[in-house]
Amino acid sequence: DTAVSQTPKYLVTQMGNDKSIKCEQNLGHDTMYWYKQDSKKFLKIMFSYNNKELIINETVPNRFSPKSPDKAHLNLHINSLELGDSAVYFCASSPRDTSYEQYFGPGTRLTVT
Amino acid sequence: RKEVEQDPGPFNVPEGATVAFNCTYSNSASQSFFWYRQDCRKEPKLLMSVYSSGNEDGRFTAQLNRASQYISLLIRDSKLSDSATYLCVVKRDDKLIFGTGTRLQVFP
Repeated sequence: DTAVSQTPKYLVTQMGNDKSIKCEQNLGHDTMYWYKQDSKKFLKIMFSYNNKELIINETVPNRFSPKSPDKAHLNLHINSLELGDSAVYFCASSPRDTSYEQYFGPGTRLTVT
Repeated sequence: RKEVEQDPGPFNVPEGATVAFNCTYSNSASQSFFWYRQDCRKEPKLLMSVYSSGNEDGRFTAQLNRASQYISLLIRDSKLSDSATYLCVVKRDDKLIFGTGTRLQVFP
């Protein structure tokens, strides 16, 4: 009965590789988000989608490409991984917009070597 | 300077103590305010929303001062299970802006 799930939980990869993180929510929410939490624990929004439509793109390098095949899924693909991409990536969802509580997934810990 | 500033702590307090966290935000266009809690190596979870009139949820009391752009969280009768990082969060332009968090450690 997991509300927001992400796979994989851990991802270790080398610089230059391309990787994807998947996110699914079974809450029936319209809006989904990707956040990055860096080594200093600073949590920053990257993207938000509402009903499969991109709403926020927070000046993220275009190596990062979100894809929302339907409103229950928001995947994150990262090309040409760099050392600075190492972080924890959280997916979240909310019923409509940020006026409502956001429910976070368990996070994906990405380590780029 | 970050848009939402918090003292990182850690605050080390004994069980039963009262502890207060403060937060300031720099953008007066901020519309809504929240406290989230994040346990070590876990995801953030909403603790409570913050209203101008102040609001209470059990042992937790949140206050907002819009004129001073200041938000506070008071925890009474601290429990060991309150040990976590408390994130001050503001909503602006349909985005949540997170502070870096204040770490609380409650000891027996």
